[in-house]
Amino acid sequence: EPEVTQTPSHQVTQMGQEVILRCVPISNHLYFYWYRQILGQKVEFLVSFYNNEISEKSEIFDDQFSVERPDGSNFTLKIRSTKLEDSAMYFCASSVLAEGTGELFFGEGSRLTVL
Amino acid sequence: GENVEQHPSTLSVQEGDSAVIKCTYSDSASNYFPWYKQELGKRPQLIIDIRSNVGEKKDQRIAVTLNKTAKHFSLHITETQPEDSAVYFCAASGGYSTLTFGKGTMLLVSP
Repeated sequence: EPEVTQTPSHQVTQMGQEVILRCVPISNHLYFYWYRQILGQKVEFLVSFYNNEISEKSEIFDDQFSVERPDGSNFTLKIRSTKLEDSAMYFCASSVLAEGTGELFFGEGSRLTVL
Repeated sequence: GENVEQHPSTLSVQEGDSAVIKCTYSDSASNYFPWYKQELGKRPQLIIDIRSNVGEKKDQRIAVTLNKTAKHFSLHITETQPEDSAVYFCAASGGYSTLTFGKGTMLLVSP
């Protein structure tokens, strides 16, 4: 069964460093998302991406964050200068149709720890 | 924007009992309401969803009900089993907008 895959599974970084989290969405999906989940809290939307551009972003997704689809398969989330409060599990997700119309498939997540 | 409230935050039941988790939403334009199950350290996985043109949907031991007038929807799990133990998240979205998740309910099913 096709899956969304994410790398790395866990990254530890120093405050102020840049981090890139990578995702390979399911191949026939057209909509891509990043969510984050701080330990023990709810899943929070960061950004959605369609047709090579951001379609929606939340207040969390400030200038320190960026997303890119550098080739036909990868979808990346970059945090330019990490802060302690960026420590969370970051989930990539993809869907065939836009949210609200079809199932969202989540990856296993990338745990980011900022020291 | 949408606001989703979920209750209870923790629910403990005996194996074989039923479990009910309730959510309310604020945006009357929301029309898609999925439920996700997240086991410890794992990804959220869709278990059931309902759209606003339907009042109830069932899938074996799981059912979801929706009351659009009151803006609330509920997850019902019957004949609970220990493997049902997980965190359950409700979510809501309208049309092409993003999903807004509730804070989650930790369900503990004791043998």
